[in-house]
Amino acid sequence: GNSVTQMEGPVTLSEEAFLTINCTYTATGYPSLFWYVQYPGEGLQLLLKATKADDKGSNKGFEATYRKETTSFHLEKGSVQVSDSAVYFCALLPSGNTPLVFGKGTRLSVIA
Amino acid sequence: GAVVSQHPSRVICKSGTSVKIECRSLDFQATTMFWYRQFPKQSLMLMATSNEGSKATYEQGVEKDKFLINHASLTLSTLTVTSAHPEDSSFYICSARDPTGPDYGYTFGSGTRLTVV
Repeated sequence: GNSVTQMEGPVTLSEEAFLTINCTYTATGYPSLFWYVQYPGEGLQLLLKATKADDKGSNKGFEATYRKETTSFHLEKGSVQVSDSAVYFCALLPSGNTPLVFGKGTRLSVIA
Repeated sequence: GAVVSQHPSRVICKSGTSVKIECRSLDFQATTMFWYRQFPKQSLMLMATSNEGSKATYEQGVEKDKFLINHASLTLSTLTVTSAHPEDSSFYICSARDPTGPDYGYTFGSGTRLTVV
C-alpha cells in the first residue's frame, strides 16, 4: 500500500537555524510528492512538490529532493524564521484523481 | 490560482443538532472533492471522497449516516454532521482538485472548527 512516514515533532529551533524534516514513503508505481504547510487555525497550503525522481521542489527558501533510491523527500531550509512556525505535512499522490496520502505532520516552532 | 472556499470557519452547536459545512471551488469545476478530519494531534484523516452527481465513497470506519455528503454541482460539496455529539468536535477540511491545474491542483479549504456543546 501507500504510506508516508515523517519525523515526529515538535521541532523547536532558534531563528536562523538549519531545518530538516525527514519524510520517507512507500508506494507502488511512481507517485508525486508534496510538502504542505498549515499555519495556526488555517487549512493546508502547498509549499512545494516534485513529480519524478531527482526533481527538486523549492519555495520560500524551502527545498526537497525526490530520492527514489532512498524513497525519501526530506524538507530543508537553511535559515528559518519565526514566521515559519507551522505544521508541515509530507504527502504523496499515487496517481490521477486519488486522494493525497499524508504523513502525520511535524509541528515546527521557531523562537527568536 | 485555484481557490476553495469553505464555510463556516467556526461553528458551535448544541448536542443533537445538525451542522452543514460547505466547500466551494470558486474558479474551477471539481468533479471530485475530499473531506478530511483533523484530530488534536494534528493528523489528517480522510473521511470520504465526494463525487459530483453520485454517492460519496466513505473510508472504513466513517459513518455515512452521520456524515452526510452531497455533491450536487461541479462547484459545491456539503458535509452535514447529523445529530452531533461532543466527540464530533474537530477541525474539518475539504480539498478539491482542479484537473486543469499545472500542479495536480489539490487545493484545500481554510477549514471548519466544529465545537459541539
